Amino acid sequence: ETGVTQSPTHLIKTRGQQVTLRCSSQSGHNTVSWYQQALGQGPQFIFQYYREEENGRGNFPPRFSGLQFPNYSSELNVNALELDDSALYLCASSPHLAGGDEQYFGPGTRLTVT
Amino acid sequence: SQQGEEDPQALSIQEGENATMNCSYKTSINNLQWYRQNSGRGLVHLILIRSNEREKHSGRLRVTLDTSKKSSSLLITASRAADTASYFCATDHDYKLSFGAGTTVTVRA
Repeated sequence: ETGVTQSPTHLIKTRGQQVTLRCSSQSGHNTVSWYQQALGQGPQFIFQYYREEENGRGNFPPRFSGLQFPNYSSELNVNALELDDSALYLCASSPHLAGGDEQYFGPGTRLTVT
Repeated sequence: SQQGEEDPQALSIQEGENATMNCSYKTSINNLQWYRQNSGRGLVHLILIRSNEREKHSGRLRVTLDTSKKSSSLLITASRAADTASYFCATDHDYKLSFGAGTTVTVRA
């Protein structure tokens, strides 16, 4: 078990709605990354936050947005939900931005869009 | 798009046998990492190998990296039922992890 927690565990939303997912990073970690994992696929990088600033973004539209707070916890917001947004959303924290660190993953939030 | 590709997609072995899976990638990397995922839950970090390393061991795991061929392999020796999971390679480039689609390993008792 890592020290990364995510809430909620499961979520069901309707197409067009908005959703907020939350992540608490492991103590001492100032970098949080978010990933989307569709069924049967590997995780896809959404974006990363380092000390409250976005530090890179994957190939996701602007309706995917995020925040990182002074305590380094983070939120992922998705607007105008589409059916294809149904996936497992994973957050991962790491101690600092320098390359070469493993990432510590939370258990994920399973989002279903109907 | 996914940077890494694992091979095979699925693997079924008997308890006690070794399991080998391969990963190929496309661009230069800082390091390559292997993760395990049980039943659609969070990923667990297994091992990290840096771009200037060729082989690394951790318990029953052995990882190799060939940067000239842009490939890596993960060997699990003396497999156990608890090793049943999906295994992903992830390349670290510019501090971002890019994952392959994974290898699903089933260890039969």
